[in-house]
Parts: sequence; C-alpha cells; structure tokens
Amino acid sequence: DTAVSQTPKYLVTQMGNDKSIKCEQNLGHDTMYWYKQDSKKFLKIMFSYNNKELIINETVPNRFSPKSPDKAHLNLHINSLELGDSAVYFCASSQSRTGLTDTQYFGPGTRLTVL
Amino acid sequence: RKEVEQDPGPFNVPEGATVAFNCTYSNSASQSFFWYRQDCRKEPKLLMSVYSSGNEDGRFTAQLNRASQYISLLIRDSKLSDSATYLCVVAPDSNYQLIWGAGTKLIIKP
Repeated sequence: DTAVSQTPKYLVTQMGNDKSIKCEQNLGHDTMYWYKQDSKKFLKIMFSYNNKELIINETVPNRFSPKSPDKAHLNLHINSLELGDSAVYFCASSQSRTGLTDTQYFGPGTRLTVL
Repeated sequence: RKEVEQDPGPFNVPEGATVAFNCTYSNSASQSFFWYRQDCRKEPKLLMSVYSSGNEDGRFTAQLNRASQYISLLIRDSKLSDSATYLCVVAPDSNYQLIWGAGTKLIIKP
C-alpha cells in the first residue's frame, strides 16, 4: 500500500564510498523528485524527472547522478561520498509536470551518515 | 532576504490554545502556496493549499496576503497531535521548482 517507498531507510558509510538510494512510487504519477534535507532542516530540491526526462537539475555536485529506468522509479547514485553529504534524502512524486499546483507525496526518507 | 522565511520557533503552546504563524516570501510573482506538516523524523505531508480568498479546513485556517507577501496558518483549539514542524512552500512564477521554508516548530503542551 506504500505510495512512495525508498530503500534503504538508513545508510551509514565511509568517506569515499559509492552508494545508491532507490525510490519507487505506485501512484501512477508522471513526475518524481529528489530532495535533500540537511541538519538545519532546509528542504532543497536536487533533481526532478518527468516521464523519465530530467527537467530540474539544481546545482549539486556531479558526484550525484539520478537515474530513472521508468516513470515509477527514480534512483540516486552518489560517488565518492563526503562528510557534507550526510543528510536525509527524500524522494517525492506528483501528478503534474512541475508539482507547482498539486500535492507532492514523499517517501519516508533515507538517513545518510558519512563517517 | 531569503526567498521564503519562517520563524523557526519553537512555539510552546498549551493544549486548547490558538496559535498562528506567518511565512514571508520574496518573489511578488509567486502563484501557489502550501502548508506542509513534518513530524519528527518523518516525511513532509501536505496540510493544505493556500488560496487567494483564504481557506479553512476544520481547525486550520490559511490566509494569503499578496500586498505584504506573506501567508499565515492559524490553528484553533490546538491538540497534542498538532505538535510538528510546519513548512511553508511557495511556487514562483516561472521556475520549475517549489521553494521550501525551513519550518516552524510547534510544541503543544498538556
């Protein structure tokens, strides 16, 4: 029944490692997002995909690479992890292309800790 | 000036009281406005959209003041379960992204 799911929920890893976070939505939405919420609780958009097409690519290090194999999945791969990457990463989806007028549904978050 | 600003709080309020908080935004062309609620260590969830004429949903009332560029959220007869962080979200006119405030933390005390 989970609308937007993410795995893993917790991720603890060493600096320099490469890791991936997976996201799936079963709402039939066309648009998916990755957000980063840092220790100060600011929620910042990183990427947005509409029907597998990248439509938002904010200024994030190119160590972060999203991949959307189909419109129900949006994965995030992070290379050469750094201490500053520690945060909670939320996946979200919305029906509209931009999410500007309708509800965004969030996954439970992945709490990444880089040691 | 930040694009979306909120008083971080925390607001400590006794159960049953009325509490209100504002959110200011810098882009006068902003078109859509929302309040999301985020419980501790959980994901944000839509509380309500904010319409130009103001809108009410049970104990919650949201208002928009375009002239002064702020939106407000009023919670009447507050419950312990209202304790959460309330995030103000603004959709600018031309950008394909929502701008999120850092949130206002609300703690309802018995």
